[in-house]
Amino acid sequence: SQQGEEDPQALSIQEGENATMNCSYKTSINNLQWYRQNSGRGLVHLILIRSNEREKHSGRLRVTLDTSKKSSSLLITASRAADTASYFCATGPNSGGSNYKLTFGKGTLLTVNP
Amino acid sequence: DGGITQSPKYLFRKEGQNVTLSCEQNLNHDAMYWYRQDPGQGLRLIYYSQIVNDFQKGDIAEGYSVSREKKESFPLTVTSAQKNPTAFYLCASSPQSRGTLRNGYTFGSGTRLTVV
Repeated sequence: SQQGEEDPQALSIQEGENATMNCSYKTSINNLQWYRQNSGRGLVHLILIRSNEREKHSGRLRVTLDTSKKSSSLLITASRAADTASYFCATGPNSGGSNYKLTFGKGTLLTVNP
Repeated sequence: DGGITQSPKYLFRKEGQNVTLSCEQNLNHDAMYWYRQDPGQGLRLIYYSQIVNDFQKGDIAEGYSVSREKKESFPLTVTSAQKNPTAFYLCASSPQSRGTLRNGYTFGSGTRLTVV
């Protein structure tokens, strides 16, 4: 079953604009992660935010987490054509034990036009 | 450079054949995972392994099998029982400490399997 759901499914912006993608999830989490996938390639880990954190930055990326609303957002500032990719959120469960695995959403396809 | 390697990049399977997808990592990661991705869809977990000689079924394990005889290797066999195997297959690995995910997954570049 898919835990995270990204919104919007597709986003098209001009170079230099900011891009915001949202992720909602259903159950309690330990952490939430964002990944990027270029067409036909594997996923690349962008950023991880833990359930006790509210905001995190990495370069042009800003991630927020609202556990009360079970939602997260990924902001890419000053976008570039090279940011064109699909972006996925993934949630890590808040259950203990060694069976630890991420559940991925369906992704947001971001197109940045030059 | 450390990383995770999937081979082959493209694979064609005839009806009724079993095929094996290779996944090798030199990151010294304990955990390894296999995901399936269909067009416009997210990733669905097939199998995962926390340690050598142990693995668990994911959400869509039917028609697939795996082995974990070495820490570095986690091959996936797509059997003839898998009725719709055409998809993009992704292997990933992660370091873990007492079952807690400390960092994100590292993914391979994927294998595209097509039934002909």
